[in-house]
Amino acid sequence: EAGVVQSPRYKIIEKKQPVAFWCNPISGHNTLYWYLQNLGQGPELLIRYENEEAVDDSQLPKDRFSAERLKGVDSTLKIQPAELGDSAVYLCASSLEDSGASYNEQFFGPGTRLTVL
Amino acid sequence: TQLLEQSPQFLSIQEGENLTVYCNSSSVFSSLQWYRQEPGEGPVLLVTVVTGGEVKKLKRLTFQFGDARKDSSLHITAAQPGDTGLYLCAGARRGSTLGRLYFGRGTQLTVWP
Repeated sequence: EAGVVQSPRYKIIEKKQPVAFWCNPISGHNTLYWYLQNLGQGPELLIRYENEEAVDDSQLPKDRFSAERLKGVDSTLKIQPAELGDSAVYLCASSLEDSGASYNEQFFGPGTRLTVL
Repeated sequence: TQLLEQSPQFLSIQEGENLTVYCNSSSVFSSLQWYRQEPGEGPVLLVTVVTGGEVKKLKRLTFQFGDARKDSSLHITAAQPGDTGLYLCAGARRGSTLGRLYFGRGTQLTVWP
């Protein structure tokens, strides 16, 4: 079974340029997450989708960040314009939410390492 | 302010030594997970604990959830170079949705041959 796929793996851009990341979750997973991970830190949630609906985007800087999950499968995360402080690894994860489960298992992709110059 | 505090932040040991990593909080969690992350990869789930006082073993790794479900520990026996990586704890807060995980900053473990 294929895991979570992310592209590109690496991206170098100049500040003020736009950038987009793409994520393909594990087949059948209804929930998709975008995380930001700074060097030496744990992942921080940016946005969580249940199917097509963004159910938790409270940590997403909406002035420059946007995300979409059309058809409830693939997702894109966009930054426009990028700032120096956006340099980080952007991780995508997916899970199968089960209302009867006592916990949720998230599967992560390899991430996109963004460098803003 | 981190909801989950991990310690130590860095750990460098020789092969064969034992070690313990701690994950502490003032909040109660409905479940707590441990992940391992290698350079250039995403975190990989190692274990989930859901019951206060629960102990789970995964080969040489022993995970414990505190009785009050506010803390957890990871103990590795006879560490090997293959154990090298960033160990992250993550919790789902009691009363919050299962999908909302709060991560600690991680413990970077290096095991030298």
